[in-house]
Amino acid sequence: DIVMTQSPDSLAVSLGERATINCKSSQSVLSSSNNKNYLAWFQHKPGQPPKLLFYWASTRESGVPDRFSGSGSGTDFTLTISSLQAEDVAVYYCQQYYSTPAFGGGTKVEIK
Amino acid sequence: QVQLVESGGAVVQPGRSLRLSCAAFGFTFSSYGMHWVRQAPGKGLEWLAVISDDGGNKHSVDSVRGRFTISRDNSKNTLYLQMNSLRAEDTAVYYCAKGFFGGGMSFLVDIWGQGTMVTVSS
Repeated sequence: DIVMTQSPDSLAVSLGERATINCKSSQSVLSSSNNKNYLAWFQHKPGQPPKLLFYWASTRESGVPDRFSGSGSGTDFTLTISSLQAEDVAVYYCQQYYSTPAFGGGTKVEIK
Repeated sequence: QVQLVESGGAVVQPGRSLRLSCAAFGFTFSSYGMHWVRQAPGKGLEWLAVISDDGGNKHSVDSVRGRFTISRDNSKNTLYLQMNSLRAEDTAVYYCAKGFFGGGMSFLVDIWGQGTMVTVSS
């Protein structure tokens, strides 16, 4: 099974500053058949269900602000919030869907 | 509007059984694979199981295989999770989620329900 590892576990960023979350898979989630990375990012706020932000590693889901971006390929991926807003406080999870789905441990984003 | 509504969560004793339900609204339920995901208190998300659009294919994580069974009734637009031999470590919020891609058994999910709490305690 593919294991997903996120870093850091938590980070505190000032409003308007950049937040960067890393995600590493234990094996590549890049498909040779379609050249797509089977990697998604979710945002999870307290008391709400998780929300899909990105799939195929960098395809933004409808309605997601463009201050969010997803990047990476193979085994290393990054979620970036270019200018942190108060409403972005949440736990962020990466998830691979290349094989038996698996989530990373989550990264808690807070305001400094 | 696509909506998923879980129910059936309860406080149960170790070793007992419980069945969760997830009612689907606002989309053609029979065209999408469906998932169960859980979150234990203070922990991260754990994917549990998926069932194909027609119910013919299922896949689950090793930790619950043999104890938990995913099923669906497309005539009722409802997804189920039968949980047997419950343990304290099964205490969690259980979410159902819709497969992103129509047809078959998409491993990517998009819409989630609000979740239902299961507490396993004597």
